Amino acid sequence: AQTVTQSQPEMSVQEAETVTLSCTYDTSESDYYLFWYKQPPSRQMILVIRQEAYKQQNATENRFSVNFQKAAKSFSLKISDSQLGDAAMYFCAYGRRSQGNLIFGKGTKLSVKP
Amino acid sequence: SQTIHQWPATLVQPVGSPLSLECTVEGTSNPNLYWYRQAAGRGLQLLFYSVGIGQISSEVPQNLSASRPQDRQFILSSKKLLLSDSGFYLCAWSKKGTGGDIQYFGAGTRLSVL
Repeated sequence: AQTVTQSQPEMSVQEAETVTLSCTYDTSESDYYLFWYKQPPSRQMILVIRQEAYKQQNATENRFSVNFQKAAKSFSLKISDSQLGDAAMYFCAYGRRSQGNLIFGKGTKLSVKP
Repeated sequence: SQTIHQWPATLVQPVGSPLSLECTVEGTSNPNLYWYRQAAGRGLQLLFYSVGIGQISSEVPQNLSASRPQDRQFILSSKKLLLSDSGFYLCAWSKKGTGGDIQYFGAGTRLSVL
C-alpha cells in the first residue's frame, strides 16, 4: 500500500527567508502524481503545486518549487521569500494514475515570523 | 468556473443523533466526488468516493455512509453518531480523467459529537 510521510510536524521560518518542507512516499508504481496542499487557519484546502512522476523537471509556481527525487521517493517543497500569508498546514499527497483518490501525509505546520 | 459548496460549516450533535452533511458542485458535470475526515493533528483520511450517481466506494469500515442522489450532490450520513465521529469533514471533487487529477476542496464542516 502507498504511504506518505512528512517527518516535520512543525517548521518555522523568518519572513522573506526560504524554507523547505520534506515529504517521502512509498509506492511500487512508476506512474503517479504528487501534490502539495496548503490548509490555512480557515481550514480550506488549497492546491499549491502538482508534479507528474514521469516528468523529470521539477514543478514551480511563483515562490513555490519542488525537489522531486523519484529514485529516492522524495518530494520536498521549497518556499522562497516567505510571507506571513504562507503560515499554514502543508500536506503532501500522492495519487495514482489508475485511481482518483489521494493519500495524504499528516502535515507540517509552518509558522512565519515577522 | 467551478465551485463547491459544503454545509453546514459547524455542527454540534448529541451522541446517538442522526447526521446529514451535504456537498454540491457547480460548473461541471459528472465529477468524481470525495468525503474526507481530518482528525486533530492528523492528515486527511478518505472515507468515501464516488465516480457517478449511486456509485459509492467506502475506504474504511465505519459508522458513516454516503450517497450520491444527483450528479453533483454528495451526502454524508449517519443513523446514530458516536463520540469518535467528531472531526473536520471535507468534501472534494475532481474532473474525470486518467488519474492524478487535482482535487478541489470545500470549506469543510466541523462536527462535534457530545
